Amino acid sequence: GAVVSQHPSRVICKSGTSVKIECRSLDFQATTMFWYRQFPKQSLMLMATSNEGSKATYEQGVEKDKFLINHASLTLSTLTVTSAHPEDSSFYICSAVPTSGFSYEQYFGPGTRLTVT
Amino acid sequence: DAKTTQPPSMDCAEGRAANLPCNHSTISGNEYVYWYRQIHSQGPQYIIHGLKNNETNEMASLIITEDRKSSTLILPHATLRDTAVYYCIVRGSSNTGKLIFGQGTTLQVKP
Repeated sequence: GAVVSQHPSRVICKSGTSVKIECRSLDFQATTMFWYRQFPKQSLMLMATSNEGSKATYEQGVEKDKFLINHASLTLSTLTVTSAHPEDSSFYICSAVPTSGFSYEQYFGPGTRLTVT
Repeated sequence: DAKTTQPPSMDCAEGRAANLPCNHSTISGNEYVYWYRQIHSQGPQYIIHGLKNNETNEMASLIITEDRKSSTLILPHATLRDTAVYYCIVRGSSNTGKLIFGQGTTLQVKP
């Protein structure tokens, strides 16, 4: 079956530093990937749509200069949290849509837990 | 995309059927009903989806009312591993369509 991986699974960083999270589709190509954020006991909140070879589309209220998204290949999208602060501590989840496949298919990664101290 | 309403929580006895309701009264004609679930601290997992006919797969059944304003996800024989948050999402047919998650239903399967 289709597998999406995220790296790292957990990361702790100091306030003011930047953190990069990778999302990879392991056995399929994905022109479109999505990034979500989830705070404790809350639902997933869509942050942005990542499109291979073009700029990401951010949801309202999400700062594009703080959450940098790069989708440089059909199997890799990265999310960089710049100048992280404790309020950025969250569970970040990506999903990938197979370029060739059924319209309903969307596969989620296992998530990355970011803690900013 | 249409908004959905789900009960915040439900309990189910192990081995019994779990019936999870979802209201989507503003659904439009080309929108599908999707169900995902999220086990604690994991990424969401696709369960099933449908347009207007009832659907069944190895995980669950989806019953959609004739007016399409509500649906029910049925887990026929719930196990402890089915304890999770279940999300009902309405989405258009495009394969680049966003999934907008509501609050979902926390299903607790009890022994």
